Amino acid sequence: DTAVSQTPKYLVTQMGNDKSIKCEQNLGHDTMYWYKQDSKKFLKIMFSYNNKELIINETVPNRFSPKSPDKAHLNLHINSLELGDSAVYFCASSPTINTEAFFGQGTRLTVV
Amino acid sequence: TQLLEQSPQFLSIQEGENLTVYCNSSSVFSSLQWYRQEPGEGPVLLVTVVTGGEVKKLKRLTFQFGDARKDSSLHITAAQPGDTGLYLCAGVRSGGSNYKLTFGKGTLLTVNP
Repeated sequence: DTAVSQTPKYLVTQMGNDKSIKCEQNLGHDTMYWYKQDSKKFLKIMFSYNNKELIINETVPNRFSPKSPDKAHLNLHINSLELGDSAVYFCASSPTINTEAFFGQGTRLTVV
Repeated sequence: TQLLEQSPQFLSIQEGENLTVYCNSSSVFSSLQWYRQEPGEGPVLLVTVVTGGEVKKLKRLTFQFGDARKDSSLHITAAQPGDTGLYLCAGVRSGGSNYKLTFGKGTLLTVNP
């Protein structure tokens, strides 16, 4: 059973489009995250939710909007995609704040 | 300014060699974690160190947390090709309400057969 699953694994889209990435965890964790990994492999946090409440919102363009319908899901919607949004986006969860993170397999987003 | 500095950035060695990678900061951390990421996959947790001076061993991997809880090292003995991957350290700063798990930029290790 996959602990943290995100879909799709690959996403190729044109500039200006709107797209969503879905994430689900079946670990019963309270905290979920979205990270962005750039071409140089730097992993940077974007958002963090604890019990469906937003607790971290980094300096991310407001074209990115996370949504947590319940504790097990944290989706990421991106409006008006730009070339610079191309990256691998990772969803992760942890039992609670500040504990070890379990990552999904990543979504490789390519904006053309 | 990078909170966690990892060195070296790249490391290519032969099977059987030993190596050490470092994770340094000027900040104090309540804990530090080490992850390994393989191509096309997400990072996978290897270990968490919490106490200053703590040493943890995971088979051929030895992790150490600095006495002041500002730095950590990962030593691999007799490296094998299966050790190839991106090694990331991550930590949460002590104090305040900063809940961010911040990552270093990683050390990309290649072990050649």
